[in-house]
Amino acid sequence: DAGITQSPRHKVTETGTPVTLRCHQTENHRYMYWYRQDPGHGLRLIHYSYGVKDTDKGEVSDGYSVSRSKTEDFLLTLESATSSQTSVYFCAISGVAGEQYFGPGTRLTVT
Amino acid sequence: TQLLKQSPQFLSIQEGENLTVYCNSSSVFSSLQWYRQEPGEGPVLLVTVVTGGEVKKLKRLTFQFGDARKDSSLHITAAQPGDTGLYLCAGLMGGSARQLTFGSGTQLTVLP
Repeated sequence: DAGITQSPRHKVTETGTPVTLRCHQTENHRYMYWYRQDPGHGLRLIHYSYGVKDTDKGEVSDGYSVSRSKTEDFLLTLESATSSQTSVYFCAISGVAGEQYFGPGTRLTVT
Repeated sequence: TQLLKQSPQFLSIQEGENLTVYCNSSSVFSSLQWYRQEPGEGPVLLVTVVTGGEVKKLKRLTFQFGDARKDSSLHITAAQPGDTGLYLCAGLMGGSARQLTFGSGTQLTVLP
């Protein structure tokens, strides 16, 4: 158990509203990641962090922002949600050999 | 651009059959990881292969890394219903960000 939690686990929101997803880890890992998972696309990297206040963009970062003010928390924000952002979002941390450990996911529906 | 192509996308077999899942790329990876994901949960790491030509066995699962470190395969012997799930391969590129590139996944269903 890598000690990763995500909140909320499910959320339904309307187009145009801001949404923040939270990832919390208890393992003091430096690297943290946000992915989205959609049918036929596997997992696609949105943003990642390599330390407090150190973040960078991934493959599908448009429309998303992140913040990491503490080692244990990595927040993903959709400034103005769109229907194309309906997805399942996973947070992950990286182990010493580059392997990743995932949280349980957040199912987000934008209506 | 899909750096890692995984095939087949769907596989439905009877209990006791053997199967192979393939993960192919034109890029070289420093390591290749295989994950298994069940509905409503996050992916869980099964194995990491690092050396070209490496073979690792995990009970009835055999993982192989290609000699050129561009491709990998997962072979399951005598599949069981408990093997049902989404299998994902992921390549680790060089560099300090430890970014993984995931294949699109193989949904395996093993029928009793």
